Amino acid sequence: DAKTTQPPSMDCAEGRAANLPCNHSTISGNEYVYWYRQIHSQGPQYIIHGLKNNETNEMASLIITEDRKSSTLILPHATLRDTAVYYCIVRVLGQGAQKLVFGQGTRLTINP
Amino acid sequence: NAGVTQTPKFQVLKTGQSMTLQCAQDMNHEYMSWYRQDPGMGLRLIHYSVGAGITDQGEVPNGYNVSRSTTEDFPLRLLSAAPSQTSVYFCASSYSGTDNQPQHFGDGTRLSIL
Repeated sequence: DAKTTQPPSMDCAEGRAANLPCNHSTISGNEYVYWYRQIHSQGPQYIIHGLKNNETNEMASLIITEDRKSSTLILPHATLRDTAVYYCIVRVLGQGAQKLVFGQGTRLTINP
Repeated sequence: NAGVTQTPKFQVLKTGQSMTLQCAQDMNHEYMSWYRQDPGMGLRLIHYSVGAGITDQGEVPNGYNVSRSTTEDFPLRLLSAAPSQTSVYFCASSYSGTDNQPQHFGDGTRLSIL
């Protein structure tokens, strides 16, 4: 699976949009981009995923560049409860283990 | 809407003791897996299962056993606990091992081996 690079930490004001970048320059054509977050010591929470088109759900939007070498997770109106570590993961589909390789992620702090 | 349920939430063991970490899901997912999370190491895959009766090893399987007799349950067994197994354990499930649907995680079991 391709490696990802994320900034170690970011701050965002409450009510503003939080934009979290991720570089995945070695991504291959059949690898999906997934975003998870981990709040304090809870289990990882799925946020969104995509292949090459932009995606939106009730939690966030995912913008993937045309060359697919980077993506941005957007939390449109951040709240204090969005403070968490956010993980960008790329994964190829196939048989066997669905191993999700969690890197160090971005620690996002939402400030009041 | 329970999702993935792990029990117990906390456990302290002595070296050499055995125990079973329970994981159950009510989403009729075929794929289930166990991860451990250590500080600064991210999540590492221990064992996984693509359906009832089928299990396989992940990247750190030593010291752990699993079985999958039903679709809903995927217990993780420590036969002889060692201090190196002190960690937070997460169970995850998804519809299958081959589609793009995301894995859903439980809230973890925090295990300390003395």
